[in-house]
Amino acid sequence: AQSVTQLGSHVSVSEGALVLLRCNYSSSVPPYLFWYVQYPNQGLQLLLKYTSAATLVKGINGFEAEFKKSETSFHLTKPSAHMSDAAEYFCAVSGSDYKLSFGAGTTVTVRA
Amino acid sequence: KAGVTQTPRYLIKTRGQQVTLSCSPISGHRSVSWYQQTPGQGLQFLFEYFSETQRNKGNFPGRFSGRQFSNSRSEMNVSTLELGDSALYLCASSFGLGPSQETQYFGPGTRLLVL
Repeated sequence: AQSVTQLGSHVSVSEGALVLLRCNYSSSVPPYLFWYVQYPNQGLQLLLKYTSAATLVKGINGFEAEFKKSETSFHLTKPSAHMSDAAEYFCAVSGSDYKLSFGAGTTVTVRA
Repeated sequence: KAGVTQTPRYLIKTRGQQVTLSCSPISGHRSVSWYQQTPGQGLQFLFEYFSETQRNKGNFPGRFSGRQFSNSRSEMNVSTLELGDSALYLCASSFGLGPSQETQYFGPGTRLLVL
């Protein structure tokens, strides 16, 4: 079975500052890893996914994540936060059972 | 191309009743997955249907069931509702079996309140 742990349920950043959301995974097989974003009253939108092709994955809206096997991490970053980045972010993992297991989520607020 | 649509968007039921939620996938997508989102348990996988067959199932009681029609539209049913079933139910569609190889596209969800 696989699982993910998101460190920090809330992150507050200033507009223009670095956004860093932390995710650690546990998987007995090489995992597929995902970051999703959820805006209020909406469904989930895929930001990016790791499928073993490249360790640095670039996604939409300027986000990227780096897969580090030695640290079992898949942290999400964005160099410069925008007000529109305020949302809830979910890290997820899929393994040999082809099921998505989500982290508890991190709510990002952006200060003007 | 139209996105994933879910109906109804909001629903209020009482304990013991049953409910049916509907999901229309993106045109051409053959896989539909269902997820439950609650403040306490977070996002949890319910089941996935592909070509009218259930291909994968999460750890939910038998009160939760689903089906998929020949046009890929899917319904999920919850019988004998409990207060704890209050949640946002999300549907996601993909062209092939998700989520590893295929990108899943999520609908806006159906918010169910059980009183």
